[in-house]
Parts: sequence; C-alpha cells; structure tokens
Amino acid sequence: SSELTQDPAVSVALGQTVRITCQGDSLRSYYASWFQQKPRQAPVLVIQGENNRPSGIPDRFSGSSSGNTASLTITGAQPEDEADYYCNSRDSSGNQRVFGGGTKLTVL
Amino acid sequence: QVHLVESGGGVVHPGKSLRLSCAASGFTFSTSGMHWVRQAPGKGLEWVAGISYDATKKDYADSVKGRFTISRDNSKNMFFVQMNSLRTDDTAVYYCAKGGLTDWGQGTLVTVSS
Repeated sequence: SSELTQDPAVSVALGQTVRITCQGDSLRSYYASWFQQKPRQAPVLVIQGENNRPSGIPDRFSGSSSGNTASLTITGAQPEDEADYYCNSRDSSGNQRVFGGGTKLTVL
Repeated sequence: QVHLVESGGGVVHPGKSLRLSCAASGFTFSTSGMHWVRQAPGKGLEWVAGISYDATKKDYADSVKGRFTISRDNSKNMFFVQMNSLRTDDTAVYYCAKGGLTDWGQGTLVTVSS
C-alpha cells in the first residue's frame, strides 16, 4: 500500500479561502476524493474525481490536482465548515484504497 | 435516497470472532461495489476492505488480510464482514459505504477487550 500525507491542522478566518492538501505517489495515477467529518457523525463525500461535487455540497468546495498533490479548496469558509477533512485514493497497485491522516480545519 | 445500516457490533475478547452486517436500500445494490471503513477512537479513517458488485473481486487492507472476509448477498441487499482472530487494535467504529465511498452508514462500534 501507499501513503497519503495531510497537514494535521489548518485554520482560516471566516469568509477567507483555505486550501487543504494531500500528498502521495499514487496521486500521480489516481484522483483523490475528499470527505468531511464532523464530531460524532459519519464522513460525507464533498469532492470526487477531477472536481465533482455530490448533490447538496456547496459550490465553495472545489478540488484540484497537480503531480503528487491533491487539494481541497474552500472559497469563503463558513462556521459550518469546521470539521476534519480526509483525502482518499487508490494505492499504487490500484487494488487497495488508502486515506490520508486527516486535517482538522478551524474557522476563526 | 441511499440508506445503509450497520449492525452486529459489540464487545468481544481478543482472539474471538464477530460478524458485521450492512443492510442497503435506496439504490440498485446488485450493481454497486461496497466497502468497509473503520475509525479507531480519536483516530482517522482506515479503509478495511472492498468488494465488487458481483463479489468476484475482493480487496483487503494489509492490517486485516487473512483475518477478515467480506461477502455479500445481492438477493437480500446485504453486505458482510466476518472478523476472526480479533485484536485490541481492531477496536473501532465500522462503517459500510457504497461504491466510490459516495454514501456511508452511521457505523457500528466494535470493542475488542479482555
């Protein structure tokens, strides 16, 4: 399996833009998905594939990728965006999936 | 809408077995892959295993390979994981998720403790 690396914690001022990154060799071959998890709740998919938002996810969430790094950008962060964010992709073999360690986002 | 309900969690001694179930509704289960993902208390998400729509392909995380077995019953819209030789580090909330990890259940807690 391969690893995906995320910063443990990131903060953003209310209404500002924040980028959460995920690094890993397998990202050169596979897109990342992004999940939001609030305390005591199941994860929710926010970005899938190149930059696809499931129904109900606000358009302030977007995804991008370059080389071995995938990014989740929140443009105009809101208080309800405070949560843990996880990236996920396939490993280099394509058979297993792997999660990043998660990033705790604080909205100030 | 998609509805996934896990069951079968509980407290079990190290070395023992447990079988978790996931009841699916709101989508065409027989054409969708499925996954188990777990989260240890206070820790991050860990992918456990995935199965193709027809059960011909099954993949496992290295941490559970040889101990956990996943299966499905498309006639009953059910998805399972048989967990053997449980260890204390298997303690976690176990979530089932639809293919692509697009939808998740609320999870069931498994505690492995002596």
